[in-house]
Amino acid sequence: DAGVIQSPRHEVTEMGQEVTLRCKPISGHDYLFWYRQTMMRGLELLIYFNNNVPIDDSGMPEDRFSAKMPNASFSTLKIQPSEPRDSAVYFCASSWGSGFSTDTQYFGPGTRLTVL
Amino acid sequence: GESVGLHLPTLSVQEGDNSIINCAYSNSASDYFIWYKQESGKGPQFIIDIRSNMDKRQGQRVTVLLNKTVKHLSLQIAATQPGDSAVYFCAESLRDDKIIFGKGTRLHILP
Repeated sequence: DAGVIQSPRHEVTEMGQEVTLRCKPISGHDYLFWYRQTMMRGLELLIYFNNNVPIDDSGMPEDRFSAKMPNASFSTLKIQPSEPRDSAVYFCASSWGSGFSTDTQYFGPGTRLTVL
Repeated sequence: GESVGLHLPTLSVQEGDNSIINCAYSNSASDYFIWYKQESGKGPQFIIDIRSNMDKRQGQRVTVLLNKTVKHLSLQIAATQPGDSAVYFCAESLRDDKIIFGKGTRLHILP
């Protein structure tokens, strides 16, 4: 398996523009997580899905952020409009859930977002 | 590479020596703990985990110790190698699908 795949790896955009980050989880995994990593706040969970259904989006910072998972092999994280403070590295991770707690989370390589 | 923090605590260890990275977790009710390694330009990578009904677990060159009394977790790396240079995160979970990551410790290997 190729592991978790994220695209693009780097994104530079201007304030106010829409940004869409993409993730393909490991085949067979039924949990998908979106994280944001910054120097100041470390690694933060934004939202996670189980069987394509959003379970907890309490980490999503604002209404400008939205995430979807239309099928088991694809998820998007969208920021509209983007702001300079959204600059960070965004990670997608997936795992196989065993009911009470998830199995090991496997992370993608991340998307480095810079908003000018 | 990723922004993993310019102000992370740093542990410098001589190549070949053992490394011990410590972590204080926040929730006394957490029942699952994980150590992740993040190399420059990559996502966090699972190293080893431990459940709260254990106090020690060993892997290949790594050992995790859990002290629930003082809410302390440690990662021991035997015979540290240059490839061990990375940022190490502890994480905790409470009977939940979510895990909460710590701030991380940078491990620097001296030649």
